[in-house]
Amino acid sequence: DGGITQSPKYLFRKEGQNVTLSCEQNLNHDAMYWYRQDPGQGLRLIYYSQIVNDFQKGDIAEGYSVSREKKESFPLTVTSAQKNPTAFYLCASSISLWNEQFFGPGTRLTVL
Amino acid sequence: SQELEQSPQSLIVQEGKNLTINCTSSKTLYGLYWYKQKYGEGLIFLMMLQKGGEEKSHEKITAKLDEKKQQSSLHITASQPSHAGIYLCGAVFQDSNYQLIWGAGTKLIIKP
Repeated sequence: DGGITQSPKYLFRKEGQNVTLSCEQNLNHDAMYWYRQDPGQGLRLIYYSQIVNDFQKGDIAEGYSVSREKKESFPLTVTSAQKNPTAFYLCASSISLWNEQFFGPGTRLTVL
Repeated sequence: SQELEQSPQSLIVQEGKNLTINCTSSKTLYGLYWYKQKYGEGLIFLMMLQKGGEEKSHEKITAKLDEKKQQSSLHITASQPSHAGIYLCGAVFQDSNYQLIWGAGTKLIIKP
């Protein structure tokens, strides 16, 4: 089955530690995205990638980093510089940039 | 996002009743997406509207984009418990480099 997976579903980290969230897709999509969702708010774009080895900052990129070394994978690192990292993180992909996006199940990150 | 307002923020509806959710923009939309999210999960694509006056239906859900392309409504007929969740609209504006901008979501609860 084609789809997009994120792991882990729940993640706990101590303040000051970097943490990497995984996102993998087997839909052969060129574009991939990372969003952050906070209670009562819409999705906010962190980073997006139009193609392998290319990525662009979204609206709230500070304190985050990404890589796109393979078409299938777009991991997100939440660094210690991110002031309020506790949130629900969603990864998405689309056949090309800004077309219909397919979402993963999300990772809930809690920083203690 | 202030560019895109969803109303109401939350809605409690008796099972079997009809309901409408709105998504309003102050600017002309290039396209409008509707997604549904179960709490703590990823988003599921419902419909995409692009032409003024366009209307699409899937099972008991109908979405419409007004002629001016500044407002969309999502109508559910004879609501069922499976309709419960958060409904999000995402809009593409031509002057935002075609990036998807998201509404804050409408939380729908179906009372048995």
